Amino acid sequence: QKEVEQNSGPLSVPEGAIASLNCTYSDRVSQSFFWYRQYSGKSPELIMSIYSNGDKEDGRFTAQLNKASQYVSLLIRDSQPSDSATYLCAVNMFSGGYNKLIFGAGTRLAVHP
Amino acid sequence: DTAVSQTPKYLVTQMGNDKSIKCEQNLGHDTMYWYKQDSKKFLKIMFSYNNKELIINETVPNRFSPKSPDKAHLNLHINSLELGDSAVYFCASSPSGSYNEQFFGPGTRLTVL
Repeated sequence: QKEVEQNSGPLSVPEGAIASLNCTYSDRVSQSFFWYRQYSGKSPELIMSIYSNGDKEDGRFTAQLNKASQYVSLLIRDSQPSDSATYLCAVNMFSGGYNKLIFGAGTRLAVHP
Repeated sequence: DTAVSQTPKYLVTQMGNDKSIKCEQNLGHDTMYWYKQDSKKFLKIMFSYNNKELIINETVPNRFSPKSPDKAHLNLHINSLELGDSAVYFCASSPSGSYNEQFFGPGTRLTVL
């Protein structure tokens, strides 16, 4: 089982719809979770972090965390063509005495007008 | 501008050459990282330094040698470059603490011919 799993997509949604991106992880004791957005040819940009069970909202973005199910998701409301990018889920895991981020392979989102 | 910066942005070289990539952050962070993103866009940690001390050294060929002259700089030297080293290399930094929120530089696209 991969440590952090995401559906590679592409996830295609119409402009104005809600895009739902999902991520599962293997380490039960992980405590911090991140969503990064990566446009083609650019670097990953941190857009959301979540540390507690439940929802965290920031503008059009909502991150949801369920530690019991080892599941984290990102909802993008009122999707825009500019949201088209690859979204990387990252989970902080404690290994060898240190924290390190383990990334999923990313979900490609395409928002069409 | 407060940021993580890398040079060069592009690096094209022949097999067998030695090359270096430089990274600097002015965010005041204590920890810096090198990541490799391959052609399948999978982002994998290579090394991490905390206050100039190497703390993470993933399974990376010893042709790769990181160096941190101070906590704001982390360089990556690669000896005897191979075709398989072609990838995008990202530097990142994070503040102290357990959450491990990381911020990425713009990346260096290395092409080995």
